[in-house]
Amino acid sequence: LAKTTQPISMDSYEGQEVNITCSHNNIATNDYITWYQQFPSQGPRFIIQGYKTKVTNEVASLFIPADRKSSTLSLPRVSLSDTAVYYCLVGVFGVGYSTLTFGKGTMLLVSP
Amino acid sequence: AAGVIQSPRHLIKEKRETATLKCYPIPRHDTVYWYQQGPGQDPQFLISFYEKMQSDKGSIPDRFSAQQFSDYHSELNMSSLELGDSALYFCASSLAEGGAYEKLFFGSGTQLSVL
Repeated sequence: LAKTTQPISMDSYEGQEVNITCSHNNIATNDYITWYQQFPSQGPRFIIQGYKTKVTNEVASLFIPADRKSSTLSLPRVSLSDTAVYYCLVGVFGVGYSTLTFGKGTMLLVSP
Repeated sequence: AAGVIQSPRHLIKEKRETATLKCYPIPRHDTVYWYQQGPGQDPQFLISFYEKMQSDKGSIPDRFSAQQFSDYHSELNMSSLELGDSALYFCASSLAEGGAYEKLFFGSGTQLSVL
């Protein structure tokens, strides 16, 4: 599994755009980049997954540069309910591949 | 939409007792994962099952065992409980589709407190 590094914590205010960057210098050719969100006392929730360039869904955008050694999760106009821990995971996950292994996530605190 | 169901939601046990946690995956999902999350910690993978066979094993203590039944539900059995076993235990399910697109759906967890 590729080692990932992301900030331990970030602070933001309601209505701002938040960008959380994850470094993964030893990403392998077949690896995908996946982000999960976890609220206190709840199970993690899949947010977005990508391989290269940009991916967007109703929740977030994921920007991946050409060298794929980092990625940025972008949350547009955050609200208080976006306060959570965000995990960046890099690998090929599934039966017969790697198992989803959570490292240190980023605690995002959104204030009024 | 149906989600992953875990029971019980809370469980209080004494040291050296046993506990059984149950997980009912999303219908038609064939893979179940168990994770343990201690206070202030990140989720740690314990064990997984695919089509009722153990698929992968993580940091699961020998005192713990698990299985997946014919209806795909899974149970985590924990014996000789220790204070350090107090944690939130999550079950997740997925549909194995051959790799990178596999998405895990997590339940709300069982909070185990060992006194």
